Amino acid sequence: ILNVEQSPQSLHVQEGDSTNFTCSFPSSNFYALHWYRWETAKSPEALFVMTLNGDEKKKGRISATLNTKEGYSYLYIKGSQPEDSATYLCASMNYGGATNKLIFGTGTLLAVQP
Amino acid sequence: KAGVTQTPRYLIKTRGQQVTLSCSPISGHRSVSWYQQTPGQGLQFLFEYFSETQRNKGNFPGRFSGRQFSNSRSEMNVSTLELGDSALYLCASSFNGGSYEQYFGPGTRLTVT
Repeated sequence: ILNVEQSPQSLHVQEGDSTNFTCSFPSSNFYALHWYRWETAKSPEALFVMTLNGDEKKKGRISATLNTKEGYSYLYIKGSQPEDSATYLCASMNYGGATNKLIFGTGTLLAVQP
Repeated sequence: KAGVTQTPRYLIKTRGQQVTLSCSPISGHRSVSWYQQTPGQGLQFLFEYFSETQRNKGNFPGRFSGRQFSNSRSEMNVSTLELGDSALYLCASSFNGGSYEQYFGPGTRLTVT
């Protein structure tokens, strides 16, 4: 794939549910994979940056895994809370000759109902 | 420490005009990247500046340009504005780009009429 793709586009869950999203990215010439959380009326906030195949990172109830060989990353949220409601963006950086740029997916919009 | 700041926050321009947006990165960060977000689109990479040099560039026309000063502050300029340039413009600073986290500013909302 040439683009970064995220699924699902949107997700509605109940408070306390656990959920996960997928990010697919080009596996060739991979350099780094970023996850961001973007709440309405705020700036995107960095969650994780991962570079190594098999890497797993965790921040509170949120964790992420990385598979660089097949080009995908999963973001998990355990016990979703209403304050987790936001758009979750992933972005891939691949070596591209003279230009290395961060390519963003269109995001997964998460809505957590109390 | 202070976050990334962008000025102005909102701007209304007419077609054909030019505009300059400003971004002040976090102290100590040398990389500044610019992104455009339009409805229905993800963040589109415009360019990255590092130590006053454009290090990376996205697929935007030459009407979009930028620069970075010795204090790492960056400006982005759009000449001959078109209606399609209406968007949220975000800048992000990081220590060195790439595998480093990016810290985003609040954005400048540009409306072209």
